[in-house]
Amino acid sequence: QSALTQPASVSGSPGQSITISCTGTSSDVGGYNYVSWYQQHPGKAPKLMIYDVSNRPSGVSDRFSGSKSGNTASLTISGLQAEDEAEYYCSSYTGSSTLYVFGTGTKVTVL
Amino acid sequence: QVQLVESGGGVVQPGGSLRLSCAASGFTFRSYGMHWVRQAPGKGLEWVAFIRYDVSNKFYADSVKGRFTISRDNSKKTVYLQMNSLRAEDTAMYYCAKDRLTGYSSTWAFDYWGQGTLVTVSS
Repeated sequence: QSALTQPASVSGSPGQSITISCTGTSSDVGGYNYVSWYQQHPGKAPKLMIYDVSNRPSGVSDRFSGSKSGNTASLTISGLQAEDEAEYYCSSYTGSSTLYVFGTGTKVTVL
Repeated sequence: QVQLVESGGGVVQPGGSLRLSCAASGFTFRSYGMHWVRQAPGKGLEWVAFIRYDVSNKFYADSVKGRFTISRDNSKKTVYLQMNSLRAEDTAMYYCAKDRLTGYSSTWAFDYWGQGTLVTVSS
């Protein structure tokens, strides 16, 4: 089972909106609504930002939103802030023998 | 507050074994499935294993199947990862993570993570 495909980097200016894509197949992203997004700052543990495609855990800013179309999921960060600079990973349950797969990761830079 | 504290990492030779522990607090441990996720230095995340709340099922990534064993002791609020036949490619930070939902209702989202324990496989 290959990792889900994400762009290596995305950047934006403070206040702007950016979108990170996460492309899989019909066996993972396209087949299940079990897509999550995690934020990871350097040297820190990942933090859950979005679960079940578009749901935010309590305490996560509403500037973060998720969606899915076909085999591609997306994370949008609106009103970009300096503290959003981090690595972001998507993930999905899969129908393969390895039950769960992460994306390749996207480095978000706030210009 | 929820806390997950991993321990047991260290340096081990190829072919060796290591047992990781993750001590949980701040939630009803016996009600939640638990996962191990690893991250090689400078690399992305890789899911490793999952154990249901009642130990009824255990699941593994293909890369560790047959070599790693996940277990838990609900009386001690601890989840373990026994790692045998270790290889250089198993070198990584190992995180334990709590499933977001109780019982069998997992949607494979991990809402709390420990700070990790580093495993280095090297001769």
